[in-house]
Formats: sequence, structure tokens, C-alpha cells
Amino acid sequence: KAGVTQTPRYLIKTRGQQVTLSCSPISGHRSVSWYQQTPGQGLQFLFEYFSETQRNKGNFPGRFSGRQFSNSRSEMNVSTLELGDSALYLCASSSTGYEQYFGPGTRLTVT
Amino acid sequence: LAKTTQPISMDSYEGQEVNITCSHNNIATNDYITWYQQFPSQGPRFIIQGYKTKVTNEVASLFIPADRKSSTLSLPRVSLSDTAVYYCLVGARDDKIIFGKGTRLHILP
Repeated sequence: KAGVTQTPRYLIKTRGQQVTLSCSPISGHRSVSWYQQTPGQGLQFLFEYFSETQRNKGNFPGRFSGRQFSNSRSEMNVSTLELGDSALYLCASSSTGYEQYFGPGTRLTVT
Repeated sequence: LAKTTQPISMDSYEGQEVNITCSHNNIATNDYITWYQQFPSQGPRFIIQGYKTKVTNEVASLFIPADRKSSTLSLPRVSLSDTAVYYCLVGARDDKIIFGKGTRLHILP
């Protein structure tokens, strides 16, 4: 089975812009979660989608949003980018609700 | 969600067995214990999961005492490539998954 894929792998944006990241889960996995990882804050949970519905949410401002499509693919959007949004954004999928399978991540740099 | 506590860092030598202990005093009845490994600039990788007693797979063993208030990840005969951050997580099915700071394991030659 193919693993979790994320596109793009690298991205450079300017403050104030918005960005959309994409995640394709492992075939058959209906849960997709998003995480932000920075050196200072570590791995932080953003949100989880299951069957196109947001099931869990972390403590991030409303500038961070996501959605899931009927084929389980998910997108994450960040509006009005800030310098502090520079991070590795990770997507993970799950079929059981227990173990997560992570993608390689998207490295976002905001200048 | 039960809070977990694990050492910030550990050093060991190639060929040794490494044991990383995680405390989770407030673990709930429905909670499982899961360990992940993460290399720099990569996503975490699922290692092992257990509920009680002992679980073993091709990569590691997980020991959970009867009171389930702690767990120990055991890595047999480590190599340099086992240098990574190891995370212990506790939660029930479909809980949101919260990662702590993890344990930075450094394997020395």
C-alpha cells in the first residue's frame, strides 16, 4: 500500500498570504489528522477529520482551517500568514483510531 | 487525556538494550499506550502499542505493569540508526492525539 502523501513538500510564502496544503491518506483510512511541528513548541495537534467531518480540534486560531473530501483526501488552509507559522506541517491517517501513519510533511517558510 | 512524563534525553551505546520509561498516573480504563519514533524532518513512525502486560514486535517490546501507571519501551541491541526522538502517548480510540516533548535517544558508537 502507498503511504501518506503530502504536497507540496516545501513552500515559501510571504506574511499576509494564505496557503493550502494537501494530504492523501493511505487507501481505506478515513481519519486524517494535521499537526504543526516547530523547534520551540514540538508537535502540536491542529485538527482531525473523519468522514468529511471535523471530529477533534486543537488550540489554534481560526486562521487555521481544514476540510476532508469524500475520497478522504484532506486539505489544510492557513490564512493571513505570520512569521510564527513557519513550521513542518504533518498529516497522519488512521483506520483504527489508534495508531497513526504520518506523511513526510510540508515544510512551510514564511518570510 | 492522560498526561505522560518521560525523560528528556538518554544516551546509550551500540549493541546495548535501551529501556525508556513513561509515567502516566492518570491513565483511564479505555486508554492504550502507544510509542512513536521520529527522525529529524520526518513524520513520527508508529512503533508499538499495548494495553497491559507485554507486547513484542520485530522492532521493540513494551512492558506494562498491572497498575498501568507506567510503561517501558525496550529496544534490543540498538544501532546508530536508532538515534531519534521517542514519544509515549496515552489515549482511547478516536481521542485526539497529543504529543509531549518525547525522549531524545542518542546512540554512541
